[in-house]
Amino acid sequence: KNEVEQSPQNLTAQEGEFITINCSYSVGISALHWLQQHPGGGIVSLFMLSSGKKKHGRLIATINIQEKHSSLHITASHPRDSAVYICAVLNTGNQFYFGTGTSLTVIP
Amino acid sequence: DTGVSQDPRHKITKRGQNVTFRCDPISEHNRLYWYRQTLGQGPEFLTYFQNEAQLEKSRLLSDRFSAERPKGSFSTLEIQRTEQGDSAMYLCASSSPQGAGSPLHFGNGTRLTVT
Repeated sequence: KNEVEQSPQNLTAQEGEFITINCSYSVGISALHWLQQHPGGGIVSLFMLSSGKKKHGRLIATINIQEKHSSLHITASHPRDSAVYICAVLNTGNQFYFGTGTSLTVIP
Repeated sequence: DTGVSQDPRHKITKRGQNVTFRCDPISEHNRLYWYRQTLGQGPEFLTYFQNEAQLEKSRLLSDRFSAERPKGSFSTLEIQRTEQGDSAMYLCASSSPQGAGSPLHFGNGTRLTVT
């Protein structure tokens, strides 16, 4: 069983739709990261959370420590949002565990 | 700040050869991580340095893999006697010492193909 589970694995949306990607984890954490990986490209850190909610432009990330769950929301999705979104948690031993990613395709 | 840089970007090698990859983290970052990513999967943790000390090493890392960070700055990952199963993207990431959970910065990776 993976320490970090993401859902869905694949997601196709029409431009403008509201998108939610979910992440559940089973280890004790000190922080959770949402990462974005474009095809053939590097990985970019979108958010780092240890509690509550963060917003950056059209992206919103929330975390519920008690439920060991986080969500990444994209409002007014755009084709340039098409990428793989990866959830990563930092455990109390400073080791990162990664989800397998959610591949998002936004169709114009 | 030029970010995390990795060299080379691509490496094609024949099975049985040794390869070495280099990672230059962001200059003030004391934590450095190596990961491996295969197609369709999230990154897998390989090893972690704090300054020059290698603090964690995944059990996935066989004896053919070794990593160093001799001066606490750049790091090298060497794979000896490469196998086709070693073909993957090798990613390096670094973070600052400003408390647990500092933002993680990734390099663009080194893509290894073993023929």
